[in-house]
Parts: sequence; structure tokens; C-alpha cells
Amino acid sequence: RKEVEQDPGPFNVPEGATVAFNCTYSNSASQSFFWYRQDCRKEPKLLMSVYSSGNEDGRFTAQLNRASQYISLLIRDSKLSDSATYLCVVNFKTGNQFYFGTGTSLTVIP
Amino acid sequence: NAGVTQTPKFQVLKTGQSMTLQCAQDMNHNSMYWYRQDPGMGLRLIYYSASEGTTDKGEVPNGYNVSRLNKREFSLRLESAAPSQTSVYFCASSEWAVAYEAFFGQGTRLTVV
Repeated sequence: RKEVEQDPGPFNVPEGATVAFNCTYSNSASQSFFWYRQDCRKEPKLLMSVYSSGNEDGRFTAQLNRASQYISLLIRDSKLSDSATYLCVVNFKTGNQFYFGTGTSLTVIP
Repeated sequence: NAGVTQTPKFQVLKTGQSMTLQCAQDMNHNSMYWYRQDPGMGLRLIYYSASEGTTDKGEVPNGYNVSRLNKREFSLRLESAAPSQTSVYFCASSEWAVAYEAFFGQGTRLTVV
């Protein structure tokens, strides 16, 4: 079983739509949680960290449910520039290892 | 800011050849990583170095070796390349602390023929 599971999509949504991505992780000892964005043929880059209380950065909202071992990302008012692959990432403090989901592909359509 | 620098960016090898992928970071991070990314598989951890002087296997270490040369540099070696090692390789670094993100190099596209 993979450490981090994501729905691969693809998600094709019109501009202005709201879209949500979900992710589950298997190790209850996980310490830190992130959403990364990866553009085609580029390296992954941090989109936002995910905190227990939930956090928001402009049009992006991340939620963490430790009891259900579940992470979500909500994108409101989608822009064409949001088209990318979104990676759910979990960090296990032991060894400071980062585990990645397979990514969810998003295409925002004009 | 350079961040994480990987070389080379592209490489074609013949089966059985060897090569070393170089990685250097200028952020004074303790932890460094090598990942491979394949379609449908996501990023998989090959080896990591939690701190200078230590290295450990990740999910897919077979066919690879690593060297943490110093705090800045972490190299990945393919001793005898196989077509199954065709992939995009990413080096990353992070501070040794909870909630610190990983920073990635631009990747090396390796093809083994």
C-alpha cells in the first residue's frame, strides 16, 4: 500500500469553477503535510503547507483531518494559470522523509 | 539564489554504462534526497541523507548508490544502467525540522537505451 494516495484525475474545469482535491495517508506518525504544484516538465514547488487548524492562501484552502488521515485542497475561482499537477506530500519526522502522492492533474478550460 | 542545482539536465546512456548525477544546495540544509519520477508512479524516494555523514535507502534503491560528499553535495551513481532506470531524477533538500518544505532541483532526464 502506498504511503500517500491521491485521485489522479484528470480534472477538467471551466475558468471560475471551484475544484477540490483529496489525499489520504497511511502512517499515523506523519508530522508535516504539504501541497506541491508541478508544471509540465518542471520540478515540484511548494504551493502551501497544511496545518491542523486549516489554512488559506488567497484562492487556495487546505484542510487536514488527522483522525481520518485525510488532506484536502480547495481552489476557488480557477484561473487558466492553475493548470498543473498537484502533489500531496507527507513528511515522516523519522529520517525526515517526504512521501509524495502520484499527483492530480488539473486543466482549467477557457 | 541558486537553491538546488543538478547536473546534467539531460543524459542518454547505453545499457551497462555508468554515470553519476551531481546535486548541490546552497541553503545550508541538513537533509538531501534523490527521487525518480515515472508516469503514473509519482515521485519515489531512491535514497536520502538525513544529515551529513548518513545515508539511507528509500523505496526504490536497487541499482543505485549515493555519496554525501559534504553538507552541500549529494551524488547519485548508476553503476550499470538498465532501461528500467529511464526516468526523470530530482534532487531535493530540506532543513531537519518539522514543517520545513523540500526544495527541488530542475531534474535530470535520463534515457537508457
